[in-house]
Amino acid sequence: AQSVTQLGSHVSVSEGALVLLRCNYSSSVPPYLFWYVQYPNQGLQLLLKYTSAATLVKGINGFEAEFKKSETSFHLTKPSAHMSDAAEYFCAVSAGNTDKLIFGTGTRLQVFP
Amino acid sequence: IAGITQAPTSQILAAGRRMTLRCTQDMRHNAMYWYRQDLGLGLRLIHYSNTAGTTGKGEVPDGYSVSRANTDDFPLTLASAVPSQTSVYFCASSDGLAGVDTQYFGPGTRLTVL
Repeated sequence: AQSVTQLGSHVSVSEGALVLLRCNYSSSVPPYLFWYVQYPNQGLQLLLKYTSAATLVKGINGFEAEFKKSETSFHLTKPSAHMSDAAEYFCAVSAGNTDKLIFGTGTRLQVFP
Repeated sequence: IAGITQAPTSQILAAGRRMTLRCTQDMRHNAMYWYRQDLGLGLRLIHYSNTAGTTGKGEVPDGYSVSRANTDDFPLTLASAVPSQTSVYFCASSDGLAGVDTQYFGPGTRLTVL
């Protein structure tokens, strides 16, 4: 079975500061991992995904995430936060070529000027 | 290209009433999904369909039914709504399986059951 844990339901940063959103996973098989973003009053959209290729994955809007098997983590980072990054971020895991994706509970990112 | 459309945008419903949430995609994706989003619980899968004519149960299917008569449409029906079904409902689609391929989400339907 697969599961994800997102540490911190709320994260606040200043504009220009590093963004770090934490995600740890549990999987009995090599996982596929995803980060989705939800802007206010919208549906989710894919930021990036790891599907067993390069461990450092680059996504849209300057975000990236690194798959660390030893730490069972897939943390999302961005060097410099922008006001437009304020949103809710969801980590998700699957067992690969399956029809189900398991979402975490989400982390709301606030960016202060 | 519209992507995924959902209707209605929001709805207030009396308990015991029947309600169908509509979802249409124009991307010719094989797979479609219904999720509910609740504060502190993230997104939970209700039902899914890997291809037209087939459906499957997700994590929280009780009280909901779906059909997939064609590729584009995937309606979600609440036969007799209860207050615990108050939630935001998202429809999504993907070309392949959710575990591998990008899912594309609609804008959501906010449902309140009184």
